[in-house]
Amino acid sequence: GENVEQHPSTLSVQEGDSAVIKCTYSDSASNYFPWYKQELGKRPQLIIDIRSNVGEKKDQRIAVTLNKTAKHFSLHITETQPEDSAVYFCAAFNNAGNMLTFGGGTRLMVKP
Amino acid sequence: EAGVAQSPRYKIIEKRQSVAFWCNPISGHATLYWYQQILGQGPKLLIQFQNNGVVDDSQLPKDRFSAERLKGVDSTLKIQPAKLEDSAVYLCASSLNRQGDEKLFFGSGTQLSVL
Repeated sequence: GENVEQHPSTLSVQEGDSAVIKCTYSDSASNYFPWYKQELGKRPQLIIDIRSNVGEKKDQRIAVTLNKTAKHFSLHITETQPEDSAVYFCAAFNNAGNMLTFGGGTRLMVKP
Repeated sequence: EAGVAQSPRYKIIEKRQSVAFWCNPISGHATLYWYQQILGQGPKLLIQFQNNGVVDDSQLPKDRFSAERLKGVDSTLKIQPAKLEDSAVYLCASSLNRQGDEKLFFGSGTQLSVL
C-alpha cells in the first residue's frame, strides 16, 4: 500500500518568514495530492491540492510543488502569520484504489 | 451546503465497554470514510465505503471494530469492547470520488476517551 512520509514534524518560524513542509510517497500510481490544515480540536480543512499532471500550483501565500519522478511534493507558505499556526498534513490519493493516505503531520508555529 | 455531520462530539467510556459513532455524509457523496486520529498523528483509514459496499477495511481491527452503511447514506462505527489504545478522534469524511473530483470533506469528529 501507499506510504507517505512528512518532514519536519515540528517547524517554528518568525512571523513574515517562509515555511516549507516536504512529503514523499511510495506508490507511483498516486495521482492527487491534497494538503490539509488542522487547528487544535477542529477538523482537517483542505487548503490546496495538486494533480499529477501539474508541477506547481499557487493560491495567494500558499504554493505546492510536485516532482513525480522523485515522488515528493512540498507545501510552501510565504509571509507567514500567527494564524497559520496549526498542524499541516499532506496526503496522497490513489485513483485506482480510491484511497487517501496521510502523512504524519507537521506542527507549524509562527511566532509574532 | 450542509457538511459532514457526526455525533456524539465527545464520549468517555471505561475499557471493555461498547461505543457507537454516527456519521451523515454530504448529500450525494457516494464514498464515506472512517479515520482514526490518535493524538499527534495523522489520520489513519479504518474503513471506506462506496455506497453501501466496503471498498477497503484492511486496517480495521475486526475483532472489536465494526461499521455499516446499510442504505448507502449514513454510517455507524462501533467498538466492542473498547481498549485504552482506542482513545482517539474518529473522523468521518465523504467525497464524490469522481475522476477529477477526489476532495474529501471531514466532519468535526468524535473524541473518544477510554479510561
